Amino acid sequence: DTEVTQTPKHLVMGMTNKKSLKCEQHMGHRAMYWYKQKAKKPPELMFVYSYEKLSINESVPSRFSPECPNSSLLNLHLHALQPEDSALYLCASSPTLRLAGGSSVVVEQYFGPGTRLTVT
Amino acid sequence: AQTVTQSQPEMSVQEAETVTLSCTYDTSESDYYLFWYKQPPSRQMILVIRQEAYKQQNATENRFSVNFQKAAKSFSLKISDSQLGDAAMYFCAYRSSTSGTYKYIFGTGTRLKVLA
Repeated sequence: DTEVTQTPKHLVMGMTNKKSLKCEQHMGHRAMYWYKQKAKKPPELMFVYSYEKLSINESVPSRFSPECPNSSLLNLHLHALQPEDSALYLCASSPTLRLAGGSSVVVEQYFGPGTRLTVT
Repeated sequence: AQTVTQSQPEMSVQEAETVTLSCTYDTSESDYYLFWYKQPPSRQMILVIRQEAYKQQNATENRFSVNFQKAAKSFSLKISDSQLGDAAMYFCAYRSSTSGTYKYIFGTGTRLKVLA
């Protein structure tokens, strides 16, 4: 299995709703990412998990809440979103190489197809 | 801080012709990775090619090759024998090789149109 899957493909939600995005990979990658992408723009990093621990939070509003229940699964919980949060949400994963001394290095990322989110 | 610049917002190429997409970057690091990602209208971002900075040899993947000029901090992508399926947004990206670094720096992208 060499892919990152994301569900749902499309999501429409009101500003008072609570919903979740799901990302799954079975490549044994230990780094997983959430990105937000607006039309014709590059992806903007939101969160990074490394070995199931949150490594990076790019000052994302608390209405976005990530969760990494295990090494294959990454969720993004959404609550009280704003219309400007409408975007394509991309998940990605990276293989990690453990180095002597316990540190690790990641190289390329593999992206999922994304969830198109519309907040009404 | 590192930056990645793609100065061509849009490019066009005739089918079967060759096109080169430009990317420049700025960094004070000596070891890093550079990538070209392709994002077709169907949305999924796909890795096209990667280059390790410590390697002098330019990476190639079938019809895709790069011209990596480390001193000039330039990393252009050449697509030979362009096909209709090459039409996409292309993003250049930089990643430090420092251990524990997870962040990728993306350029603003170049939209490639392939004309039949």
